[in-house]
Amino acid sequence: EDQVTQSPEALRLQEGESSSLNCSYTVSGLRGLFWYRQDPGKGPEFLFTLYSAGEEKEKERLKATLTKKESFLHITAPKPEDSATYLCAVNAAGNKLTFGGGTRVLVKP
Amino acid sequence: DAGVIQSPRHEVTEMGQEVTLRCKPISGHDYLFWYRQTMMRGLELLIYFNNNVPIDDSGMPEDRFSAKMPNASFSTLKIQPSEPRDSAVYFCASRKGGAYEQYFGPGTRLTVT
Repeated sequence: EDQVTQSPEALRLQEGESSSLNCSYTVSGLRGLFWYRQDPGKGPEFLFTLYSAGEEKEKERLKATLTKKESFLHITAPKPEDSATYLCAVNAAGNKLTFGGGTRVLVKP
Repeated sequence: DAGVIQSPRHEVTEMGQEVTLRCKPISGHDYLFWYRQTMMRGLELLIYFNNNVPIDDSGMPEDRFSAKMPNASFSTLKIQPSEPRDSAVYFCASRKGGAYEQYFGPGTRLTVT
Protein backbone atom coordinates (compact mmCIF):
# COMPACT_ATOMS: atom_id res chain seq x y z
CA GLU A 1 0.00 0.00 0.00
CA ASP A 2 1.30 3.46 -0.91
CA GLN A 3 2.33 5.56 2.08
CA VAL A 4 3.28 9.22 2.37
CA THR A 5 4.61 10.75 5.59
CA GLN A 6 5.29 14.45 6.01
CA SER A 7 7.40 16.07 8.69
CA PRO A 8 7.30 18.15 10.71
CA GLU A 9 3.56 18.47 11.30
CA ALA A 10 3.98 22.17 12.04
CA LEU A 11 6.74 24.71 11.51
CA ARG A 12 7.03 28.19 12.92
CA LEU A 13 9.54 30.45 11.18
CA GLN A 14 10.65 34.02 11.47
CA GLU A 15 10.47 36.00 8.29
CA GLY A 16 13.70 35.35 6.38
CA GLU A 17 14.47 32.12 8.24
CA SER A 18 14.95 29.42 5.58
CA SER A 19 13.86 25.86 6.26
CA SER A 20 12.91 22.55 4.64
CA LEU A 21 9.86 20.30 4.73
CA ASN A 22 10.19 16.56 4.30
CA CYS A 23 7.99 14.09 2.45
CA SER A 24 8.90 10.41 2.75
CA TYR A 25 7.14 7.93 0.54
CA THR A 26 6.78 4.20 -0.01
CA VAL A 27 5.30 3.26 -3.36
CA SER A 28 5.74 0.59 -5.96
CA GLY A 29 6.47 2.41 -9.17
CA LEU A 30 6.42 6.17 -8.74
CA ARG A 31 4.72 8.01 -11.59
CA GLY A 32 5.01 11.40 -9.97
CA LEU A 33 5.37 13.28 -6.70
CA PHE A 34 3.33 16.42 -6.24
CA TRP A 35 3.48 19.40 -3.91
CA TYR A 36 0.42 21.48 -3.14
CA ARG A 37 -0.19 24.54 -1.03
CA GLN A 38 -3.46 24.87 0.88
CA ASP A 39 -4.67 28.07 2.50
CA PRO A 40 -7.40 27.98 5.17
CA GLY A 41 -10.85 27.59 3.63
CA LYS A 42 -9.49 26.91 0.15
CA GLY A 43 -8.69 23.95 -2.03
CA PRO A 44 -5.14 22.66 -2.54
CA GLU A 45 -3.22 24.69 -5.08
CA PHE A 46 -0.82 22.81 -7.36
CA LEU A 47 2.84 23.80 -7.03
CA PHE A 48 5.17 21.19 -8.54
CA THR A 49 5.44 17.77 -10.11
CA LEU A 50 8.64 15.74 -9.80
CA TYR A 51 9.10 12.55 -11.76
CA SER A 52 12.57 11.15 -11.13
CA ALA A 53 15.32 11.16 -8.52
CA GLY A 54 17.59 14.15 -8.87
CA GLU A 55 14.91 16.36 -10.38
CA GLU A 56 14.44 19.87 -8.96
CA LYS A 57 11.74 22.51 -9.53
CA GLU A 58 11.67 26.13 -8.36
CA LYS A 59 9.02 28.77 -7.98
CA GLU A 60 9.79 32.07 -6.28
CA ARG A 61 11.02 31.18 -2.77
CA LEU A 62 10.13 27.48 -3.08
CA LYS A 63 12.35 24.70 -4.37
CA ALA A 64 11.35 21.05 -4.51
CA THR A 65 13.80 18.18 -4.80
CA LEU A 66 13.34 14.43 -5.15
CA THR A 67 15.33 11.35 -4.15
CA LYS A 68 14.34 7.70 -4.40
CA LYS A 69 12.72 7.73 -0.96
CA GLU A 70 11.84 11.32 -0.15
CA SER A 71 11.23 14.82 -1.35
CA PHE A 72 12.10 18.12 0.22
CA LEU A 73 10.40 21.47 -0.13
CA HIS A 74 12.89 24.20 0.66
CA ILE A 75 11.54 27.62 1.59
CA THR A 76 14.19 30.30 1.16
CA ALA A 77 13.86 33.58 3.06
CA PRO A 78 10.13 33.04 3.69
CA LYS A 79 7.63 35.86 3.96
CA PRO A 80 4.39 35.89 5.98
CA GLU A 81 2.43 35.21 2.77
CA ASP A 82 4.16 31.82 2.56
CA SER A 83 2.17 30.73 5.62
CA ALA A 84 -0.01 27.79 4.56
CA THR A 85 -0.28 24.02 4.79
CA TYR A 86 1.96 22.25 2.29
CA LEU A 87 0.77 18.88 1.06
CA CYS A 88 2.79 16.16 -0.64
CA ALA A 89 1.17 13.46 -2.76
CA VAL A 90 2.34 10.53 -4.86
CA ASN A 91 0.88 8.84 -7.89
CA ALA A 92 1.84 5.23 -8.29
CA ALA A 93 -0.16 2.64 -10.21
CA GLY A 94 -3.43 3.89 -11.59
CA ASN A 95 -4.68 7.42 -11.39
CA LYS A 96 -4.95 7.92 -7.66
CA LEU A 97 -3.04 10.46 -5.60
CA THR A 98 -2.10 9.42 -2.07
CA PHE A 99 -1.62 12.45 0.17
CA GLY A 100 0.49 12.96 3.24
CA GLY A 101 -0.88 14.67 6.33
CA GLY A 102 0.66 18.02 5.46
CA THR A 103 3.00 20.49 7.17
CA ARG A 104 1.47 23.67 8.59
CA VAL A 105 3.89 26.54 8.09
CA LEU A 106 3.55 29.83 9.95
CA VAL A 107 5.92 32.64 9.05
CA LYS A 108 5.99 35.47 11.54
CA PRO A 109 7.03 38.99 10.53
CA ASP B 1 -9.70 29.95 -17.74
CA ALA B 2 -12.11 29.24 -14.93
CA GLY B 3 -10.92 26.69 -12.42
CA VAL B 4 -12.92 23.85 -10.94
CA ILE B 5 -16.25 25.15 -9.70
CA GLN B 6 -18.09 23.65 -6.75
CA SER B 7 -21.44 24.43 -5.20
CA PRO B 8 -22.63 25.07 -2.64
CA ARG B 9 -19.61 26.36 -0.73
CA HIS B 10 -21.27 25.68 2.60
CA GLU B 11 -24.06 23.26 3.46
CA VAL B 12 -25.67 22.77 6.85
CA THR B 13 -28.26 20.04 7.11
CA GLU B 14 -29.92 17.83 9.65
CA MET B 15 -29.18 14.16 10.10
CA GLY B 16 -31.24 12.03 7.77
CA GLN B 17 -31.56 14.63 5.02
CA GLU B 18 -30.29 14.18 1.48
CA VAL B 19 -27.30 16.27 0.46
CA THR B 20 -26.15 16.92 -3.12
CA LEU B 21 -22.78 18.46 -3.89
CA ARG B 22 -22.01 19.74 -7.37
CA CYS B 23 -18.86 20.11 -9.44
CA LYS B 24 -17.93 21.58 -12.80
CA PRO B 25 -14.44 20.46 -13.91
CA ILE B 26 -12.01 22.50 -15.95
CA SER B 27 -12.97 22.45 -19.61
CA GLY B 28 -11.01 19.84 -21.53
CA HIS B 29 -10.14 17.78 -18.50
CA ASP B 30 -11.26 14.16 -18.82
CA TYR B 31 -10.63 12.95 -15.28
CA LEU B 32 -12.71 14.04 -12.30
CA PHE B 33 -12.03 13.14 -8.67
CA TRP B 34 -14.06 13.53 -5.47
CA TYR B 35 -12.16 13.84 -2.17
CA ARG B 36 -13.11 14.28 1.46
CA GLN B 37 -10.88 16.16 3.92
CA THR B 38 -11.08 15.88 7.70
CA MET B 39 -8.65 16.74 10.47
CA MET B 40 -8.41 13.11 11.51
CA ARG B 41 -7.97 11.44 8.12
CA GLY B 42 -6.64 14.17 5.87
CA LEU B 43 -7.48 14.07 2.17
CA GLU B 44 -9.13 10.84 1.04
CA LEU B 45 -10.13 9.90 -2.49
CA LEU B 46 -13.75 8.80 -2.68
CA ILE B 47 -14.28 8.11 -6.38
CA TYR B 48 -12.94 9.12 -9.77
CA PHE B 49 -14.29 9.25 -13.30
CA ASN B 50 -12.62 9.07 -16.69
CA ASN B 51 -14.59 10.35 -19.67
CA ASN B 52 -17.70 10.45 -17.46
CA VAL B 53 -17.38 6.77 -16.48
CA PRO B 54 -16.77 5.82 -12.83
CA ILE B 55 -13.47 3.97 -12.67
CA ASP B 56 -12.76 3.41 -8.98
CA ASP B 57 -15.27 3.92 -6.18
CA SER B 58 -13.40 1.91 -3.56
CA GLY B 59 -13.06 4.99 -1.37
CA MET B 60 -16.79 5.60 -1.07
CA PRO B 61 -17.43 4.94 2.60
CA GLU B 62 -20.92 3.46 2.44
CA ASP B 63 -23.88 2.85 0.22
CA ARG B 64 -25.27 6.14 1.46
CA PHE B 65 -22.78 7.82 -0.87
CA SER B 66 -23.28 7.92 -4.62
CA ALA B 67 -21.72 9.91 -7.45
CA LYS B 68 -22.68 10.58 -11.03
CA MET B 69 -21.18 12.34 -14.01
CA PRO B 70 -23.92 12.76 -16.64
CA ASN B 71 -21.69 14.79 -18.97
CA ALA B 72 -18.17 16.14 -19.29
CA SER B 73 -18.96 19.37 -17.48
CA PHE B 74 -20.95 18.25 -14.45
CA SER B 75 -20.74 15.80 -11.58
CA THR B 76 -22.67 15.28 -8.36
CA LEU B 77 -21.89 13.60 -5.07
CA LYS B 78 -24.98 12.63 -3.11
CA ILE B 79 -25.29 11.52 0.49
CA GLN B 80 -28.60 9.97 1.49
CA PRO B 81 -29.30 9.84 4.38
CA SER B 82 -26.68 12.12 5.85
CA GLU B 83 -25.11 11.50 9.27
CA PRO B 84 -23.08 13.77 11.59
CA ARG B 85 -19.91 11.78 10.81
CA ASP B 86 -20.22 12.90 7.19
CA SER B 87 -19.29 16.43 8.27
CA ALA B 88 -16.14 17.35 6.34
CA VAL B 89 -14.90 19.43 3.44
CA TYR B 90 -15.56 17.78 0.09
CA PHE B 91 -13.31 18.66 -2.82
CA CYS B 92 -13.65 18.03 -6.50
CA ALA B 93 -10.53 17.93 -8.68
CA SER B 94 -9.90 17.43 -12.38
CA ARG B 95 -6.99 16.72 -14.68
CA LYS B 96 -6.14 16.10 -18.30
CA GLY B 97 -5.25 12.67 -19.56
CA GLY B 98 -1.49 12.39 -20.03
CA ALA B 99 -0.70 14.69 -17.10
CA TYR B 100 -0.97 13.56 -13.50
CA GLU B 101 -1.34 16.83 -11.63
CA GLN B 102 -4.84 17.47 -10.39
CA TYR B 103 -6.49 20.85 -9.97
CA PHE B 104 -8.80 21.30 -7.03
CA GLY B 105 -11.95 23.31 -6.55
CA PRO B 106 -12.64 25.51 -3.50
CA GLY B 107 -14.50 22.76 -1.69
CA THR B 108 -17.89 22.39 -0.02
CA ARG B 109 -17.92 22.51 3.77
CA LEU B 110 -20.67 20.13 4.92
CA THR B 111 -22.02 20.21 8.44
CA VAL B 112 -24.58 17.59 9.47
CA THR B 113 -26.27 18.27 12.79
